[in-house]
Amino acid sequence: EAQVTQNPRYLITVTGKKLTVTCSQNMNHEYMSWYRQDPGLGLRQIYYSMNVEVTDKGDVPEGYKVSRKEKRNFPLILESPSPNQTSLYFCASSPGQRQETQYFGPGTRLLVL
Amino acid sequence: DQQVKQNSPSLSVQEGRISILNCDYTNSMFDYFLWYKKYPAEGPTFLISISSIKDKNEDGRFTVFLNKSAKHLSLHIVPSQPGDSAVYFCAAPPRGGNFNKFYFGSGTKLNVKP
Repeated sequence: EAQVTQNPRYLITVTGKKLTVTCSQNMNHEYMSWYRQDPGLGLRQIYYSMNVEVTDKGDVPEGYKVSRKEKRNFPLILESPSPNQTSLYFCASSPGQRQETQYFGPGTRLLVL
Repeated sequence: DQQVKQNSPSLSVQEGRISILNCDYTNSMFDYFLWYKKYPAEGPTFLISISSIKDKNEDGRFTVFLNKSAKHLSLHIVPSQPGDSAVYFCAAPPRGGNFNKFYFGSGTKLNVKP
């Protein structure tokens, strides 16, 4: 089954404790992105990647890091999480330029205390 | 500054009637627009799109209208069904086809009552 998986689905952590949210897709897609969803703000793009070792900032990259060492994986790293990073995070992938073929993961709900 | 805006956070409609969801944008560089649908505990899924060279695109019960002069688009669902109850996001990438850097609205939660 073609899918984008994220782990963990739910996470409670404390300020300053480094964490990684993993994202993996099994569709051999070149493009991958991370978004956060916040009430009243919709989905905002954090980072995106056009291929292995090629990443760029989205709309709200501050406080986040990403890496793309393999085509299928695109982890999101919070080196020193803060309460304002409490949010619902989505990973997405797409095979090419046309965004309507973007596939989203199920989401990771993060609470930073 | 949100470049894509959905000013109605929620909408309630009776089954069988028309649902109209609205979206406004400020960036005149947008030339492609998409609607996504999101159920609770799931990621968004693509619903329908429209290019700025068109003013209407239809797919079954879903039609998107684009008014470029007003920088406004709308999604019509006819007839509405209870299974359409979800959050709907409009989205747009900047001109130039960099589809990997784009903007979502804040979403409208549609409730279709049986």
